[in-house]
Amino acid sequence: QVQLQQWGAGLLKPSETLSLTCAVYGGSFSGDHWIWIRQPPGKGLEWIGEINPSGGTKYNPSLKSRVSISVDTSKNQFSLRLNSVTAADTAVYYCAKMGGMLEYFQYWGQGTLVTVSS
Amino acid sequence: QSVLTQPPSVSGAPGQRVSISCIGSTSNIGAGYDVHWYQQLPGTAPKLLIYSNNNRPSGVPDRFSGSKSGTSASLAITGLQAEDEADYYCQSHDSSLSGYVFGTGTKVTVL
Repeated sequence: QVQLQQWGAGLLKPSETLSLTCAVYGGSFSGDHWIWIRQPPGKGLEWIGEINPSGGTKYNPSLKSRVSISVDTSKNQFSLRLNSVTAADTAVYYCAKMGGMLEYFQYWGQGTLVTVSS
Repeated sequence: QSVLTQPPSVSGAPGQRVSISCIGSTSNIGAGYDVHWYQQLPGTAPKLLIYSNNNRPSGVPDRFSGSKSGTSASLAITGLQAEDEADYYCQSHDSSLSGYVFGTGTKVTVL
């Protein structure tokens, strides 16, 4: 059974950098696609981006200039960085594992609430 | 920026059948991309409910079923139970975005 456990700072000031890490337990790691998704309070889900087994990345165009996703295969972890945050970036951030090549999100982390406030 | 449209809410009595629509366009569902569905219980992470239009992961009751036609998809819940009260989201790939899109979400209330 695959489990994802995530962590990172929960309170940021405007213009700071959001940084979250997701550790993967069980299953393979190097052959999978890894995803970040966010959900503003009381709102719907938004895909942030993904990193594939080759280290290639794809990002949501609305965030592309500020976001980066990286992977550390030696630790079975992947990370999200979002620069220059504003109040609009306040959300619960989820890490997830894609279900093979079928483009759905099979396993999810527990979520981390990140609040941006001065 | 949701590009898949769902009704904000649906409700039904225990034992009844409810259906949730997911309306897309020719750049996502209508382009042939699969539709997937997630259930989000209050205060928890979403859980995969239906994948590739009409497939249930292990452990998901057969009361849940999905279908897809043209530029839309739907999720049906038969024999509605109290524990089905949750938010439901559809998801697909969008060629204009070159990425993944979610529906606007539907809150299911069991009366």
